[in-house]
Amino acid sequence: EAGVAQSPRYKIIEKRQSVAFWCNPISGHATLYWYQQILGQGPKLLIQFQNNGVVDDSQLPKDRFSAERLKGVDSTLKIQPAKLEDSAVYLCASSLAAYSPLHFGNGTRLTVT
Amino acid sequence: GDSVTQMEGPVTLSEEAFLTINCTYTATGYPSLFWYVQYPGEGLQLLLKATKADDKGSNKGFEATYRKETTSFHLEKGSVQVSDSAVYFCALEGGATNKLIFGTGTLLAVQP
Repeated sequence: EAGVAQSPRYKIIEKRQSVAFWCNPISGHATLYWYQQILGQGPKLLIQFQNNGVVDDSQLPKDRFSAERLKGVDSTLKIQPAKLEDSAVYLCASSLAAYSPLHFGNGTRLTVT
Repeated sequence: GDSVTQMEGPVTLSEEAFLTINCTYTATGYPSLFWYVQYPGEGLQLLLKATKADDKGSNKGFEATYRKETTSFHLEKGSVQVSDSAVYFCALEGGATNKLIFGTGTLLAVQP
């Protein structure tokens, strides 16, 4: 089966600019996750979708981060405006259902200068 | 709150050496425990898991036993290969928040 697809692979922006990441989960996976992985730290959950509804966004900095999952398939994560501390790898994962094994994409490495 | 603590790296070993990467956790209830691996340039992959006390997860020669009495889930492999070089993450799910919570990761470098 095709894995979780993410794009772009790398992105470099200046602080205060905007950026968007895209994720295409594995076909049929109802649950989609966005994680932030700062260098030297473990991944941290930003938001979890079940189909096109938000299950958990308690750790999403909502003043600058937003995410959507239209039609319960693809998802986009946006940062506006970016800060230096947003430099990280943004990982998308999907699972068949909540508590099923997660399948991760290769991530998008964001550098904010 | 729930947390995972794993040994800091990097861990550098020669091929065929014995590997242990320590992992301890703090959680309410009875979480499931996982080891994920991240090879260079790739996403995280589930390596093994255990869902209850005394369970042993195993895959690709790696093993970890869920020890409730010591709140530990140490990763072991009897003979590492160069291809095992990667970052290994210990994680738990199902504690107070039901989220998947990761440790900080341990870089393993295996030299020929």
